[in-house]
Amino acid sequence: AQSVTQLDSHVSVSEGTPVLLRCNYSSSYSPSLFWYVQHPNKGLQLLLKYTSAATLVKGINGFEAEFKKSETSFHLTKPSAHMSDAAEYFCVVSFSGGYNKLIFGAGTRLAVHP
Amino acid sequence: ETGVTQSPTHLIKTRGQQVTLRCSSQSGHNTVSWYQQALGQGPQFIFQYYREEENGRGNFPPRFSGLQFPNYSSELNVNALELDDSALYLCASSLAGTTYNEQFFGPGTRLTVL
Repeated sequence: AQSVTQLDSHVSVSEGTPVLLRCNYSSSYSPSLFWYVQHPNKGLQLLLKYTSAATLVKGINGFEAEFKKSETSFHLTKPSAHMSDAAEYFCVVSFSGGYNKLIFGAGTRLAVHP
Repeated sequence: ETGVTQSPTHLIKTRGQQVTLRCSSQSGHNTVSWYQQALGQGPQFIFQYYREEENGRGNFPPRFSGLQFPNYSSELNVNALELDDSALYLCASSLAGTTYNEQFFGPGTRLTVL
């Protein structure tokens, strides 16, 4: 069965410092992995996706993630945080059995301080 | 290209009532998925509709039901509402058969059950 574990429920950084949001996955198959962002009172927006091409995936707004099969990890990073990055971030794995459902982690709330 | 829309934005019901939530797919998409996001949690898959038939279901009781119409819009119906049904309900549309079946989310309907 597929699942994702987000290792931090809250992360707090200062503006201009690096961001690291950690995610481990479990999957019997070669997974499709995603990071989504949810701003308050907004829908979910896709940041980036890994689909078995390059292991380093670049997304929108300067975010990137690296797929590490040996560590079953898919951590999200950004070199320099901006105030507008404050939001809830979800690591997601795509179910691979017959139909397309997304399995979400519990989320990491990112706070960015001036 | 029109994005995914949902109505209503907010809804307040009392325990035991029934509710219908609506979703319009992104133009050209033929698959709709529904997710429930309780406060402080990641979204949970309810079910998915493709070509007007349910083709996948999560761990939700039968009082959660749905419809998909020929224009690919969809409804989520919940009968005999319980307090725990209070959540943000998200609709996502996708195009079956495309690479990785990327799902596009609407802004959600916030349901409060009193």
